[in-house]
Amino acid sequence: AQKVTQAQTEISVVEKEDVTLDCVYETRDTTYYLFWYKQPPSGELVFLIRRNSFDEQNEISGRYSWNFQKSTSSFNFTITASQVVDSAVYFCALSEAGRQKVTFGTGTKLQVIP
Amino acid sequence: SQTIHQWPATLVQPVGSPLSLECTVEGTSNPNLYWYRQAAGRGLQLLFYSVGIGQISSEVPQNLSASRPQDRQFILSSKKLLLSDSGFYLCAWGPGLVGPDTQYFGPGTRLTVL
Repeated sequence: AQKVTQAQTEISVVEKEDVTLDCVYETRDTTYYLFWYKQPPSGELVFLIRRNSFDEQNEISGRYSWNFQKSTSSFNFTITASQVVDSAVYFCALSEAGRQKVTFGTGTKLQVIP
Repeated sequence: SQTIHQWPATLVQPVGSPLSLECTVEGTSNPNLYWYRQAAGRGLQLLFYSVGIGQISSEVPQNLSASRPQDRQFILSSKKLLLSDSGFYLCAWGPGLVGPDTQYFGPGTRLTVL
Protein backbone atom coordinates (compact mmCIF):
# COMPACT_ATOMS: atom_id res chain seq x y z
CA ALA A 1 0.00 0.00 0.00
CA GLN A 2 1.14 3.51 -0.68
CA LYS A 3 1.34 6.18 1.98
CA VAL A 4 2.41 9.82 2.16
CA THR A 5 3.36 11.49 5.42
CA GLN A 6 3.61 15.23 5.90
CA ALA A 7 4.57 15.49 9.54
CA GLN A 8 4.48 19.29 9.67
CA THR A 9 0.88 20.31 10.20
CA GLU A 10 1.49 24.06 10.30
CA ILE A 11 4.54 26.25 9.76
CA SER A 12 4.87 29.99 10.27
CA VAL A 13 7.77 31.97 8.87
CA VAL A 14 8.55 35.63 8.50
CA GLU A 15 8.61 36.98 4.98
CA LYS A 16 11.93 36.48 3.16
CA GLU A 17 12.86 33.47 5.25
CA ASP A 18 13.50 30.14 3.56
CA VAL A 19 11.22 27.26 4.47
CA THR A 20 11.30 23.53 3.76
CA LEU A 21 8.21 21.36 3.69
CA ASP A 22 8.86 17.69 4.37
CA CYS A 23 7.32 14.74 2.57
CA VAL A 24 8.04 11.08 3.27
CA TYR A 25 6.44 8.34 1.22
CA GLU A 26 6.02 4.58 1.30
CA THR A 27 5.54 2.33 -1.70
CA ARG A 28 6.45 -1.21 -2.75
CA ASP A 29 6.72 -0.29 -6.41
CA THR A 30 9.98 0.58 -8.09
CA THR A 31 8.18 2.87 -10.54
CA TYR A 32 6.13 5.64 -9.03
CA TYR A 33 5.40 9.33 -9.34
CA LEU A 34 5.51 12.11 -6.79
CA PHE A 35 3.63 15.39 -6.88
CA TRP A 36 3.33 18.66 -5.02
CA TYR A 37 0.20 20.80 -5.05
CA LYS A 38 -0.56 24.20 -3.56
CA GLN A 39 -3.99 25.04 -2.13
CA PRO A 40 -4.37 28.80 -1.53
CA PRO A 41 -7.25 30.13 0.61
CA SER A 42 -9.49 30.17 -2.47
CA GLY A 43 -9.50 26.36 -2.31
CA GLU A 44 -8.41 25.32 -5.79
CA LEU A 45 -5.45 22.95 -5.87
CA VAL A 46 -2.66 24.15 -8.11
CA PHE A 47 -0.25 21.62 -9.60
CA LEU A 48 3.40 22.47 -8.90
CA ILE A 49 5.56 19.52 -9.92
CA ARG A 50 5.58 15.86 -10.93
CA ARG A 51 8.61 13.62 -10.53
CA ASN A 52 9.11 9.99 -11.51
CA SER A 53 11.09 7.53 -9.44
CA PHE A 54 13.89 7.23 -11.98
CA ASP A 55 14.74 10.89 -11.94
CA GLU A 56 16.49 11.92 -8.75
CA GLN A 57 17.77 15.20 -10.05
CA ASN A 58 16.76 18.12 -7.93
CA GLU A 59 14.48 20.63 -9.58
CA ILE A 60 14.48 24.39 -9.28
CA SER A 61 11.77 26.70 -10.52
CA GLY A 62 12.26 30.29 -9.49
CA ARG A 63 12.05 30.44 -5.70
CA TYR A 64 10.84 26.84 -5.51
CA SER A 65 13.11 23.80 -5.33
CA TRP A 66 12.53 20.13 -4.74
CA ASN A 67 14.91 17.57 -3.23
CA PHE A 68 14.10 13.97 -4.14
CA GLN A 69 16.04 11.30 -2.23
CA LYS A 70 15.09 7.68 -2.80
CA SER A 71 17.45 6.51 -0.06
CA THR A 72 15.30 8.22 2.55
CA SER A 73 12.00 8.05 0.61
CA SER A 74 11.65 11.79 0.81
CA PHE A 75 10.56 14.50 -1.60
CA ASN A 76 11.03 17.80 0.20
CA PHE A 77 9.97 21.21 -1.06
CA THR A 78 11.86 24.40 -0.29
CA ILE A 79 10.65 27.95 -0.82
CA THR A 80 13.44 30.49 -0.86
CA ALA A 81 12.81 34.06 0.27
CA SER A 82 9.20 33.34 1.13
CA GLN A 83 6.46 35.82 0.31
CA VAL A 84 3.00 36.41 1.74
CA VAL A 85 1.50 34.98 -1.46
CA ASP A 86 3.13 31.66 -0.59
CA SER A 87 0.70 31.27 2.32
CA ALA A 88 -1.30 28.15 1.51
CA VAL A 89 -1.71 24.49 2.28
CA TYR A 90 0.79 22.36 0.41
CA PHE A 91 0.10 18.73 -0.44
CA CYS A 92 2.56 16.03 -1.37
CA ALA A 93 1.14 13.08 -3.32
CA LEU A 94 2.20 9.68 -4.66
CA SER A 95 0.97 7.44 -7.44
CA GLU A 96 2.24 4.05 -8.47
CA ALA A 97 2.79 3.19 -12.12
CA GLY A 98 -0.26 1.77 -13.84
CA ARG A 99 -2.68 3.09 -11.26
CA GLN A 100 -5.05 6.01 -11.57
CA LYS A 101 -5.26 6.61 -7.86
CA VAL A 102 -3.13 9.33 -6.31
CA THR A 103 -2.58 9.22 -2.56
CA PHE A 104 -2.32 12.63 -0.94
CA GLY A 105 -0.64 13.54 2.31
CA THR A 106 -2.59 15.46 4.92
CA GLY A 107 -0.99 18.73 3.90
CA THR A 108 1.18 21.38 5.54
CA LYS A 109 -0.30 24.78 6.18
CA LEU A 110 2.27 27.49 5.56
CA GLN A 111 1.74 30.97 6.90
CA VAL A 112 4.12 33.68 5.78
CA ILE A 113 3.99 36.67 8.09
CA PRO A 114 4.78 40.09 6.61
CA SER B 1 -5.81 25.47 -23.11
CA GLN B 2 -7.83 23.27 -20.83
CA THR B 3 -10.23 24.59 -18.23
CA ILE B 4 -12.35 22.85 -15.65
CA HIS B 5 -15.58 24.20 -14.22
CA GLN B 6 -17.59 23.25 -11.18
CA TRP B 7 -20.93 24.44 -9.99
CA PRO B 8 -22.37 25.50 -7.80
CA ALA B 9 -19.55 27.18 -5.91
CA THR B 10 -21.36 26.93 -2.59
CA LEU B 11 -24.40 24.99 -1.48
CA VAL B 12 -26.37 24.71 1.74
CA GLN B 13 -28.72 21.75 1.88
CA PRO B 14 -30.89 20.17 4.58
CA VAL B 15 -30.28 16.62 5.75
CA GLY B 16 -32.16 14.15 3.61
CA SER B 17 -32.28 16.33 0.53
CA PRO B 18 -30.83 15.26 -2.84
CA LEU B 19 -27.56 16.52 -4.29
CA SER B 20 -26.21 17.12 -7.74
CA LEU B 21 -22.79 18.65 -8.36
CA GLU B 22 -21.53 19.14 -11.87
CA CYS B 23 -18.07 19.27 -13.35
CA THR B 24 -17.17 19.97 -16.96
CA VAL B 25 -13.85 20.14 -18.74
CA GLU B 26 -13.03 22.13 -21.85
CA GLY B 27 -10.17 21.92 -24.28
CA THR B 28 -9.40 18.22 -24.10
CA SER B 29 -10.84 14.88 -25.17
CA ASN B 30 -11.15 11.56 -23.33
CA PRO B 31 -9.91 12.90 -20.01
CA ASN B 32 -9.82 10.88 -16.83
CA LEU B 33 -12.13 12.53 -14.32
CA TYR B 34 -12.04 12.46 -10.54
CA TRP B 35 -14.19 13.50 -7.57
CA TYR B 36 -12.52 14.24 -4.24
CA ARG B 37 -13.87 15.37 -0.90
CA GLN B 38 -11.92 17.44 1.57
CA ALA B 39 -13.31 17.64 5.10
CA ALA B 40 -12.45 20.75 7.09
CA GLY B 41 -8.76 20.83 7.99
CA ARG B 42 -8.08 17.44 6.45
CA GLY B 43 -6.57 15.88 3.35
CA LEU B 44 -8.20 14.81 0.13
CA GLN B 45 -10.28 11.67 -0.12
CA LEU B 46 -10.80 10.18 -3.58
CA LEU B 47 -14.47 9.34 -4.05
CA PHE B 48 -14.83 8.31 -7.70
CA TYR B 49 -12.86 8.28 -10.90
CA SER B 50 -13.78 7.65 -14.51
CA VAL B 51 -11.66 6.70 -17.50
CA GLY B 52 -14.51 6.99 -20.02
CA ILE B 53 -18.19 7.60 -20.62
CA GLY B 54 -20.29 5.42 -18.37
CA GLN B 55 -17.22 3.99 -16.60
CA ILE B 56 -17.16 4.79 -12.90
CA SER B 57 -14.87 3.41 -10.22
CA SER B 58 -15.87 3.93 -6.60
CA GLU B 59 -13.19 4.24 -3.97
CA VAL B 60 -15.32 4.69 -0.88
CA PRO B 61 -18.72 3.04 -0.34
CA GLN B 62 -21.19 5.64 0.87
CA ASN B 63 -24.43 7.35 -0.04
CA LEU B 64 -22.88 9.20 -2.97
CA SER B 65 -22.84 8.17 -6.62
CA ALA B 66 -21.21 9.49 -9.77
CA SER B 67 -22.10 9.48 -13.43
CA ARG B 68 -20.38 10.47 -16.64
CA PRO B 69 -23.08 11.05 -19.25
CA GLN B 70 -20.75 12.82 -21.68
CA ASP B 71 -17.04 12.69 -22.37
CA ARG B 72 -16.23 15.88 -20.47
CA GLN B 73 -19.01 15.91 -17.89
CA PHE B 74 -18.85 14.34 -14.45
CA ILE B 75 -21.71 14.49 -11.98
CA LEU B 76 -21.73 13.71 -8.26
CA SER B 77 -25.10 12.85 -6.76
CA SER B 78 -26.86 11.75 -3.65
CA LYS B 79 -30.48 10.78 -3.03
CA LYS B 80 -30.36 11.74 0.66
CA LEU B 81 -27.65 13.87 2.17
CA LEU B 82 -26.16 13.16 5.59
CA LEU B 83 -24.54 15.65 7.94
CA SER B 84 -21.23 13.88 7.31
CA ASP B 85 -21.45 14.78 3.62
CA SER B 86 -20.48 18.36 4.42
CA GLY B 87 -17.15 19.33 2.94
CA PHE B 88 -15.31 20.77 0.01
CA TYR B 89 -15.80 18.80 -3.19
CA LEU B 90 -13.15 18.99 -5.85
CA CYS B 91 -13.32 17.72 -9.38
CA ALA B 92 -10.12 17.02 -11.27
CA TRP B 93 -9.16 15.93 -14.74
CA GLY B 94 -6.11 14.13 -16.08
CA PRO B 95 -4.91 13.61 -19.65
CA GLY B 96 -5.62 9.88 -19.54
CA LEU B 97 -2.17 8.78 -20.54
CA VAL B 98 -0.79 5.39 -19.68
CA GLY B 99 0.31 5.50 -16.09
CA PRO B 100 -0.68 7.88 -13.36
CA ASP B 101 -2.24 11.16 -14.26
CA THR B 102 -1.10 14.59 -13.36
CA GLN B 103 -4.41 15.86 -12.07
CA TYR B 104 -5.67 19.38 -12.57
CA PHE B 105 -8.31 20.61 -10.18
CA GLY B 106 -11.41 22.72 -10.48
CA PRO B 107 -12.39 25.57 -8.14
CA GLY B 108 -14.44 23.29 -5.88
CA THR B 109 -17.91 23.28 -4.35
CA ARG B 110 -18.32 24.00 -0.67
CA LEU B 111 -21.26 21.92 0.63
CA THR B 112 -22.84 22.46 4.03
CA VAL B 113 -25.47 20.01 5.17
CA LEU B 114 -27.64 21.29 8.02
